[in-house]
Amino acid sequence: GAVVSQHPSWVICKSGTSVKIECRSLDFQATTMFWYRQFPKQSLMLMATSNEGSKATYEQGVEKDKFLINHASLTLSTLTVTSAHPEDSSFYICSAPGAYEQYFGPGTRLTVT
Amino acid sequence: DAKTTQPPSMDCAEGRAANLPCNHSTISGNEYVYWYRQIHSQGPQYIIHGLKNNETNEMASLIITEDRKSSTLILPHATLRDTAVYYCIAVRVNSNYQLIWGAGTKLIIKP
Repeated sequence: GAVVSQHPSWVICKSGTSVKIECRSLDFQATTMFWYRQFPKQSLMLMATSNEGSKATYEQGVEKDKFLINHASLTLSTLTVTSAHPEDSSFYICSAPGAYEQYFGPGTRLTVT
Repeated sequence: DAKTTQPPSMDCAEGRAANLPCNHSTISGNEYVYWYRQIHSQGPQYIIHGLKNNETNEMASLIITEDRKSSTLILPHATLRDTAVYYCIAVRVNSNYQLIWGAGTKLIIKP
């Protein structure tokens, strides 16, 4: 089946710094990708829809200036957490739609100290 | 999109069939029933989906009631690796398969 990768798989950063997470579709093209956030013992929360060549669409309550999304090519979307704070510590997951399903990346564990 | 209701947790003995129920009484005619699972600290994995008819693939079977108000995911011979949170999601046709996640069912397979 199709593969979606994420990099890095985990990252620790200091409060106030920015972190970039990459999501790649390895063997297919994705004009749309989705970004989710998952806190411990909770379900996935959709943050934004990333659209190749155009602006991302953010869900209500998600700050677009804090979570910058760039979908510069058909195989790569990036999520940059700017001025990260401890409350941004979470598991970030991306996905890309296939013919009838979503393909998910393995997730990125972000810890902000 | 229709809301789904699932039991928060279930146990199943290894080697037995695991039957996971899902209630989606407000599902509309253009919504599919999808099942995904998430093993701890991993990205979710697609399992199966259906509209009206029962479906089977190499992972599982999906039984949808005739009125489409509920469904059951069946893992025929559960193994320890099937321990995960299972999500039942109603997905609107032509929505780019955008998913709205509920709480899911935590399935624990016991040896």
